[in-house]
Amino acid sequence: EDQVTQSPEALRLQEGESSSLNCSYTVSGLRGLFWYRQDPGKGPEFLFTLYSAGEEKEKERLKATLTKKESFLHITAPKPEDSATYLCAVQGGNAGNMLTFGGGTRLMVKP
Amino acid sequence: IAGITQAPTSQILAAGRRMTLRCTQDMRHNAMYWYRQDLGLGLRLIHYSNTAGTTGKGEVPDGYSVSRANTDDFPLTLASAVPSQTSVYFCASRKQGAADTQYFGPGTRLTVL
Repeated sequence: EDQVTQSPEALRLQEGESSSLNCSYTVSGLRGLFWYRQDPGKGPEFLFTLYSAGEEKEKERLKATLTKKESFLHITAPKPEDSATYLCAVQGGNAGNMLTFGGGTRLMVKP
Repeated sequence: IAGITQAPTSQILAAGRRMTLRCTQDMRHNAMYWYRQDLGLGLRLIHYSNTAGTTGKGEVPDGYSVSRANTDDFPLTLASAVPSQTSVYFCASRKQGAADTQYFGPGTRLTVL
């Protein structure tokens, strides 16, 4: 059974204070690891897909990295508008087309 | 604007009533999904459809049914709603591919009293 654990559950940062969110996973044959951003009252918004260990992707202040056991979402010099819940999900080789989600990290960036 | 629409945005429903949540996508994606999101439990898959005419059960299918008569629409029906089905429901779609991204709709907030 695929499992995803995200940490911390909540993170408070000052504007400009860089940090990282963690997504640990166990999966049988990783097909893809996905990062989403979710604002209150809205649906998850796609950020990145990572397919293999060593892969990295960047978008503005966000950078996602992947190893064989975990993924990190690095946030460089965050701004208040980066405040949101960040979700990680995996698609395993035995899961068909289904995703397994972690519980999310709620990020709050104070000005 | 291409994407996924869901209706209604929110609904308060008496227990025992029948309710259909609507989902439409205009991206011509083959696969569609229904999730529920509950505090502390994250997103859990209810039902899915890999292509029009086929459906499958996810992690929490009991009390829900779906149909996929065409590519664009994927309604979720609660035959007899119960308070434990109070949740936020998200529809998602994905184009065919080994690990293509799932895109989510805006959600329906359902309260069953």
